[in-house]
Amino acid sequence: AQKITQTQPGMFVQEKEAVTLDCTYDTSDPSYGLFWYKQPSSGEMIFLIYQGSYDQQNATEGRYSLNFQKARKSANLVISASQLGDSAMYFCAMREVPGSARQLTFGSGTQLTVLP
Amino acid sequence: DTAVSQTPKYLVTQMGNDKSIKCEQNLGHDTMYWYKQDSKKFLKIMFSYNNKELIINETVPNRFSPKSPDKAHLNLHINSLELGDSAVYFCASSQDGLPYEQYFGPGTRLTVT
Repeated sequence: AQKITQTQPGMFVQEKEAVTLDCTYDTSDPSYGLFWYKQPSSGEMIFLIYQGSYDQQNATEGRYSLNFQKARKSANLVISASQLGDSAMYFCAMREVPGSARQLTFGSGTQLTVLP
Repeated sequence: DTAVSQTPKYLVTQMGNDKSIKCEQNLGHDTMYWYKQDSKKFLKIMFSYNNKELIINETVPNRFSPKSPDKAHLNLHINSLELGDSAVYFCASSQDGLPYEQYFGPGTRLTVT
């Protein structure tokens, strides 16, 4: 079974508007971390934001916020005031904490296009 | 200063050849990783090294061998390259301790002809 699901292969948003990228996850571990990465067309992977399973508040980093709904197992990324430079592929990822394993499991990504 | 660097950025080679990709991080992290991104952009863990010891080895063909001479370097050697090995390979590193966010290198685009 897929551990990370991103159901939106592609999304369009008008410049200066907010957009939500969906991510659901599946784990039986009580301790885990959720991450969002951005991959622009140049190819590098850029870390955006992190949410721990025990964190009480939703994570925020500048224009990025993570809408964490633990009971629904969702960790949606909200980008406020979209900019043209936000056009990129966005990946949701999870790290489970069994033993010493620290690997990230990635979703299939959402290609976001910001329209002028 | 580049935090995680990889060389080369592009690698074009023929089937059957042996090649290596080098990775270095100057973040003082204890764990390093290799990921493979296929043509559909799907990212999958290949290897992870913590303090020069292998802690993850997913179902990767044994033609792929990671080598870590020290905790700042993790190289990937690939023997007998096949067409299906064509992909982008990313090196990453993370610190020990929460939240374990991983910092990625720029990627190496490998094309096997």
